[in-house]
Amino acid sequence: SQELEQSPQSLIVQEGKNLTINCTSSKTLYGLYWYKQKYGEGLIFLMMLQKGGEEKSHEKITAKLDEKKQQSSLHITASQPSHAGIYLCGAISGSARQLTFGSGTQLTVLP
Amino acid sequence: DVKVTQSSRYLVKRTGEKVFLECVQDMDHENMFWYRQDPGLGLRLIYFSYDVKMKEKGDIPEGYSVSREKKERFSLILESASTNQTSMYLCASSSDKRTGVTRELFFGEGSRLTVL
Repeated sequence: SQELEQSPQSLIVQEGKNLTINCTSSKTLYGLYWYKQKYGEGLIFLMMLQKGGEEKSHEKITAKLDEKKQQSSLHITASQPSHAGIYLCGAISGSARQLTFGSGTQLTVLP
Repeated sequence: DVKVTQSSRYLVKRTGEKVFLECVQDMDHENMFWYRQDPGLGLRLIYFSYDVKMKEKGDIPEGYSVSREKKERFSLILESASTNQTSMYLCASSSDKRTGVTRELFFGEGSRLTVL
């Protein structure tokens, strides 16, 4: 089965700093999803990447899927306290209806 | 807006009790999923369903069962709760119809279960 490894597991940054979260797959990715979760709540969809080399942005968050489609990075520019939460990457697996998730990256942004 | 509603945000149960976690979605989605989330382990798929009265095991189905009698409702059942089932349970749904984002999962807010 497909495995997703996220790094780092946790990250503490000062407000205004840039940061990057990585998601590496053991297999070729056919669809890579990024979600954000605030503590104790459900997941909110951020963006989805399908094509090798693809890059998408939403406000100050940019995600890329590398050419070989086995790694994705999520980059936050000029972080804000509102960016704090758990970021999870998910990939299509099985019958292509299920998502397998990484273990998540806990982001803390200090004001 | 798509809404996935989980009936209980917080539950406390005793070992051996039968527990029902209910999930309802209002977007006529075909697919529904139950995940559990534990620190350091991420989300793990328990069961999923592609259609009414249909269910398939996910990665960790042991100790759980599910029911999907109506398209909008997917229930997770713990026949005899144990302390190692203390966790955050997340329900999600998705559609096979093209919406511009392939197979995006919509999540409920989660049910935090504590088994004493």
